[in-house]
Amino acid sequence: EAQVTQNPRYLITVTGKKLTVTCSQNMNHEYMSWYRQDPGLGLRQIYYSMNVEVTDKGDVPEGYKVSRKEKRNFPLILESPSPNQTSLYFCASSRTGVRAVTEAFFGQGTRLTVV
Amino acid sequence: AQTVTQSQPEMSVQEAETVTLSCTYDTSENNYYLFWYKQPPSRQMILVIRQEAYKQQNATENRFSVNFQKAAKSFSLKISDSQLGDTAMYFCAFRETSGSRLTFGEGTQLTVNP
Repeated sequence: EAQVTQNPRYLITVTGKKLTVTCSQNMNHEYMSWYRQDPGLGLRQIYYSMNVEVTDKGDVPEGYKVSRKEKRNFPLILESPSPNQTSLYFCASSRTGVRAVTEAFFGQGTRLTVV
Repeated sequence: AQTVTQSQPEMSVQEAETVTLSCTYDTSENNYYLFWYKQPPSRQMILVIRQEAYKQQNATENRFSVNFQKAAKSFSLKISDSQLGDTAMYFCAFRETSGSRLTFGEGTQLTVNP
């Protein structure tokens, strides 16, 4: 089954304690990205990756890091979480290119609370 | 940069009736894709319908249809015969044909009342 798997689904942590949210896809997609969802703001892109070892900032990258060492995995790292990073996070993947299938596949979301 | 605007934060409709959700966008591109995603309480992001800008015909998927007005940069979603399971947050999204990034609107919370 084609899917994007995020873990954990829920996480409560304290300010300053490093954490990683994992994301894995089994569709051999080149493009992967992270979004955060906040009320009234929709989904905003944090970081994206066009392929292995190629990553770039999205609209709200401050306080986040990513890596793409393997095609299937795209972890999101919060080195020193702060309360303003409390949000719902989504990982997504898709093919790239003009002729690519246009649909993006989303993970199930990670609800992060930083206290 | 592209922007997507959903001006209706909340809407409600009676079961079996029709409701229309609005979306406008701004872009200088001529070729692009537009999408409506549904997010039920489970938080899952579900693709409802998509429209390719070069196609003049409005997309339809069962009870869901769009009114795509390219010149006006408008992309509304019509839900016919609303069902309780349609209760969800709905997001409008834009993607350039040559790119992979999705730009989302703020979302519209739709409630279908029995």
